[in-house]
Amino acid sequence: GEDVEQSLFLSVREGDSSVINCTYTDSSSTYLYWYKQEPGAGLQLLTYIFSNMDMKQDQRLTVLLNKKDKHLSLRIADTQTGDSAIYFCAEARGRGSTLGRLYFGRGTQLTVWP
Amino acid sequence: KAGVTQTPRYLIKTRGQQVTLSCSPISGHRSVSWYQQTPGQGLQFLFEYFSETQRNKGNFPGRFSGRQFSNSRSEMNVSTLELGDSALYLCASCLGTGGEQYFGPGTRLTVT
Repeated sequence: GEDVEQSLFLSVREGDSSVINCTYTDSSSTYLYWYKQEPGAGLQLLTYIFSNMDMKQDQRLTVLLNKKDKHLSLRIADTQTGDSAIYFCAEARGRGSTLGRLYFGRGTQLTVWP
Repeated sequence: KAGVTQTPRYLIKTRGQQVTLSCSPISGHRSVSWYQQTPGQGLQFLFEYFSETQRNKGNFPGRFSGRQFSNSRSEMNVSTLELGDSALYLCASCLGTGGEQYFGPGTRLTVT
């Protein structure tokens, strides 16, 4: 399909790990992103991965990329109530000048219960 | 280093009016993109400017236009506002091609 797909909701208990999944569309996508949006706010860049990487870790965040299945995941270790937000997956398709345009999924609402 | 700034943060307009939104990118960033976010359609790309030239364009009617100045600041204009234009308008900046893209806090536009 043409759309970046994400599940809409995820609930976890505080202290557990969260895994948010995304299926993107273009096997040649160069950059893949994870953004966080809190109520009434803009998008906060959490991390991004270049297509020649399989994994990227940044403190509590781990991104896994499976290019064969066009699957991207974001794992948040030791999830806290402050992590409750909407998480967006996005891809930059093609090369060069087209990379400025991002294609977003509909977002996954993460709810963390104390 | 200051982040992406957008002004105004909130705006209420009447159908048929026009509106101009402003975005100042992170210092040194030459690319500015604009997105519309609504509950129904999600995040939709409007256009991207790089070095004062429109480099990419989404599928929006001609009522939506933009420009970029020599200092990389960008404005977008919506003419003949419709109720459906009510949305959060976000701009993003990046250095040039690919890599980190940072978003501003958005302008919440309400059309009555």
